[in-house]
Amino acid sequence: KAGVTQTPRYLIKTRGQQVTLSCSPISGHRSVSWYQQTPGQGLQFLFEYFSETQRNKGNFPGRFSGRQFSNSRSEMNVSTLELGDSALYLCASSLDPPRGDSPLHFGNGTRLTVT
Amino acid sequence: GENVEQHPSTLSVQEGDSAVIKCTYSDSASNYFPWYKQELGKGPQLIIDIRSNVGEKKDQRIAVTLNKTAKHFSLHITETQPEDSAVYFCAASGTGRRALTFGSGTRLQVQP
Repeated sequence: KAGVTQTPRYLIKTRGQQVTLSCSPISGHRSVSWYQQTPGQGLQFLFEYFSETQRNKGNFPGRFSGRQFSNSRSEMNVSTLELGDSALYLCASSLDPPRGDSPLHFGNGTRLTVT
Repeated sequence: GENVEQHPSTLSVQEGDSAVIKCTYSDSASNYFPWYKQELGKGPQLIIDIRSNVGEKKDQRIAVTLNKTAKHFSLHITETQPEDSAVYFCAASGTGRRALTFGSGTRLQVQP
């Protein structure tokens, strides 16, 4: 069974631009979560989607948004990019609806560099 | 909110030795504690997890222990091998609070 697929693997953008990242969950998984990973802040939760609805959101500004489609694929968007948005963005999927103890399976991430 | 502290930040062991990584959490409502291994250029991979109704869980060379009273859980790797070299993260979450709170990571280096 294929794992979580994230595209693209690498992105380079300039300040002020916007970017869209894509995630395809493991087949049959309906929950998708997004995390940001940086050397300074570690792994931080962005948001989680289930059945096309955002179920949980972390402490990130409104420039960070996401959505989920009927096939469970998800996208996240960052508008008005700042240098501090440079990070590895990780998508994770799980089989169960959000409940706190369902194992998360991560993709290999999208490395975003903002110059 | 939940806060997870992880120690040590780096750990170097000789091949065949054991490695122990420790984490503490702050929210007594947390009841799910996974451990992830992240290799260079890859996403975190779930290696073992434990729920609050269990004190210890083993999977071959890997074991996790949980002390709910002390709000402390640990990862034990026995007979370490060079391929165990990676960054390991602990995490915690609770029912109704879906998001995992991660520790800061431990870089494990197994010297051949």
